[in-house]
This record gives sequence, structure tokens and C-alpha cells, in this order.
Amino acid sequence: EVQLVQSGAEVKKPGESLKISCKGSGYIFTNYWIGWVRQMPGKGLEWMGIIYPGDSGTRYSPSFQGQVTISADKSISTAYLQWSSLKASDTAIYYCARAELGGAFEYWGQGTLVTVSS
Amino acid sequence: DIQMTQSPSTLSASVGDRVTITCRASQITSNWLAWYQQKPGKAPKLLIYEASSLESGVPSRFSGSGSGTEFTLTISSLQPDDFATYYCQQYNTYLWTFGQGTKVEIK
Repeated sequence: EVQLVQSGAEVKKPGESLKISCKGSGYIFTNYWIGWVRQMPGKGLEWMGIIYPGDSGTRYSPSFQGQVTISADKSISTAYLQWSSLKASDTAIYYCARAELGGAFEYWGQGTLVTVSS
Repeated sequence: DIQMTQSPSTLSASVGDRVTITCRASQITSNWLAWYQQKPGKAPKLLIYEASSLESGVPSRFSGSGSGTEFTLTISSLQPDDFATYYCQQYNTYLWTFGQGTKVEIK
């Protein structure tokens, strides 16, 4: 069974750094792109970026380029999303999802709620 | 970048109604177009991929069509479990874009 299990909720202060994770299981982790999607409170889905764990190749949405870093450790089948300096506007639920051939996200993590507040 | 515009933003309908949601691309895109359903507090669920292919396990009352710049999601007979928010999403050359969503409410 394919599963993506994300790390737990985080509460941070503005300016702090953060790295959240997404662990894949039930499939060959290096063979599929893993994307990250933001959902701000009461808002829609926004594609942030994606990584191919096989070679760590990454692509970012222009809206998020330079704002976050996506990485992966294929030895433990885990993808990461990190911030070096959080802002209050980063408060959102972040989902990871596996991209299929053709770009659809078939499998999703349960989401990680990130709250940034002073 | 390709922008995806969904209409309507909100839709009020009754059980049994036929519902159509439209997604328009800002430029001609491939048929790498997917539709998702999201309920409050849950991750999105894939319904349709490659514009018209039904995801395994999704009821056949859901269907997708379209090409070029206009795509539609149709629910042939709305059921109580279908009240949710729906998103389109396109993929083109390593860039993914979601539409802004359509909330289907009970009339």
C-alpha cells in the first residue's frame, strides 16, 4: 500500500527556521516525483515545487522560488520542505503528494499544519 | 506560466442535480489535466486524470472532458457525499498549476 506520512504540526515564531518531512512507503521512492502543496487558511491549493528523489532534481513554482527549499534523502525514503526564516504568512497546511506520469497527484500525505506567530 | 481559472467559484445544487464545473487555461495546454475533490480537514482526492480518465474507485457519476484551453468536470447526479470543493490542476513541462477551486454547496 502506497503511503505518504508527514511530520506533525509545528508552532514557530517569525524568523525561525523549519524543516518538515514526508516519508514514502509501499513503492520505489526514487521512481516518482514528490510535490509540495500549500493551503493557507480557508484558501485553495497552491503548487510550491517538486523533487525527483532519484537524482534530487527539483523544480519550483515561480511564486515560491527562493522562499523554500525542497530536498530528499532517498536512503530513508523521505522528502523535505524547509524554510530558513519563517513569516506569519507561511501559516498554512502543507501537503506532500506523489506525482504520476502525466502530472496528477494520486497519493497525498495527511498534511502538516505550520503556525507562525509571535 | 499557465493560469487556470475555474467557474463558478461557488455552486448551489440539490441532490440529484447534474453539475458542471469548468476550468479554462490561459493558453493551450496538454491533456495533463486532473480534477480533485477536497472535504474540510482532509487531503485532496484525485477524481480524474489526463482530462477524462476516471481514477480507480471513483464513482462513475464523475466524468471529465475537454482539451486545449477548456476542460469540464461533470457530476451526473449529485449525491450527499459530493458536497465539497473541487480543484482542477494542469501539468506542463515541470510546472503544475491549480485552479482556485469550486465549492459545491447544498441548495
